[in-house]
Amino acid sequence: DTAVSQTPKYLVTQMGNDKSIKCEQNLGHDTMYWYKQDSKKFLKIMFSYNNKELIINETVPNRFSPKSPDKAHLNLHINSLELGDSAVYFCASSQVGSRVHTEAFFGQGTRLTVV
Amino acid sequence: DAKTTQPNSMESNEEEPVHLPCNHSTISGTDYIHWYRQLPSQGPEYVIHGLTSNVNNRMASLAIAEDRKSSTLILHRATLRDAAVYYCIITGAGSYQLTFGKGTKLSVIP
Repeated sequence: DTAVSQTPKYLVTQMGNDKSIKCEQNLGHDTMYWYKQDSKKFLKIMFSYNNKELIINETVPNRFSPKSPDKAHLNLHINSLELGDSAVYFCASSQVGSRVHTEAFFGQGTRLTVV
Repeated sequence: DAKTTQPNSMESNEEEPVHLPCNHSTISGTDYIHWYRQLPSQGPEYVIHGLTSNVNNRMASLAIAEDRKSSTLILHRATLRDAAVYYCIITGAGSYQLTFGKGTKLSVIP
């Protein structure tokens, strides 16, 4: 069983379209994340959700809207796609506590290409 | 979260030990030291983490300096599959994010 799975793996779309990327984790973790890896391979956090509540929103354009229907899912919806949105998007999950920090598990990534 | 400094790249011969250094001079007393790696075309993968004492697991060992201002990830016998970008990350126990730097790209020579 894949711990963190995201779909689709590849996504090619035209500028201006709206698209969604889905993420599911079966680890029972309470915190989920979206990261973006650009063409220079720099990994940057976009959002963090804890128990379905938004905890971190790192200066991401409001065209990006995360949705967490339950603790096991964190989907990413992107409106009006732009060329600069082309990147690999990674979903991750972990269990965060006040005294511990467990390992984060990452999905395999979604390579988004906007043409 | 404390800033980290790692060499951009390192090379190792296959089946030899590899020592990947990381400086984190601004680490605070309750911050954890994490190491992740990213194999080509894959998501980041947890390697090891520690607080003060050296740590061992099936993948690697983590040696933490006594003043905690630096640490070293040790791969005991590098294999071709260990070729990846290795990230050293400092984070508080209750932190909701991992802040990735540029990492060290490890090349393993057959």
